[in-house]
Amino acid sequence: EVQLVESGGGLVQPGGSLRLSCAASGFTFSRYDMHWVRQAPGKGLEWVSAIGTQSDTFYPDSVKGRFTISRENNKNSLYLQMNSLRVGDTAMYYCARAPSGSYPSGDAFDIWGQGTMVTVSS
Amino acid sequence: EIVMTQSPATLSVSPGERATLSCRASQSVSSNLAWYQQKPGQAPRLLIYRASTRATGIPARFSGSGSGTEFTLTISSLQSEDFAAYYCHQYNNWPPTYTFGQGTKLEIK
Repeated sequence: EVQLVESGGGLVQPGGSLRLSCAASGFTFSRYDMHWVRQAPGKGLEWVSAIGTQSDTFYPDSVKGRFTISRENNKNSLYLQMNSLRVGDTAMYYCARAPSGSYPSGDAFDIWGQGTMVTVSS
Repeated sequence: EIVMTQSPATLSVSPGERATLSCRASQSVSSNLAWYQQKPGQAPRLLIYRASTRATGIPARFSGSGSGTEFTLTISSLQSEDFAAYYCHQYNNWPPTYTFGQGTKLEIK
């Protein structure tokens, strides 16, 4: 079964750090672009970061310089290191898979994990 | 940044009827658009990609159309399990600067 399972969420104070993990199974992880998408409580979806098959990384301005996405293909794992966290980063964080090789466009997110909740509060 | 605008924010439809959801992009995204369904407490699920291609296992009552800046998701005969939130998503570029619409909540009339 193709599956993504996130972990690592929790309660952290403003200015703190947290590292999320996403374990992949059931497919050849190294052949896919991987993404993090978040959803604040009661709100819509926001793309947070991407990593290509060559480990090239991309971020929106809202998290650039604070978040770092990485992958370990030999462990079928995706990570999101989140530093200098703000109250506005409170959200459910999903990892998602996208087929690679559609350049110059990207591709849709065909598999999502169940999410891990991050709460930033004092 | 490409802004995606969905309408309406809430749509009330009776079971068995047709639902039409709209998504507009602030600039052309060609056919690089997806639709997702999200039920409360669940992750989003891919319904449509490339504007009109159904994802694996998605029933034929779901259809997508459009290109450029105007897109539509149609559910031909609503079933009870279809009442959920729906999001459009443009993935027109790599390196990615992906954006989502704010969502349409489809509720039972």
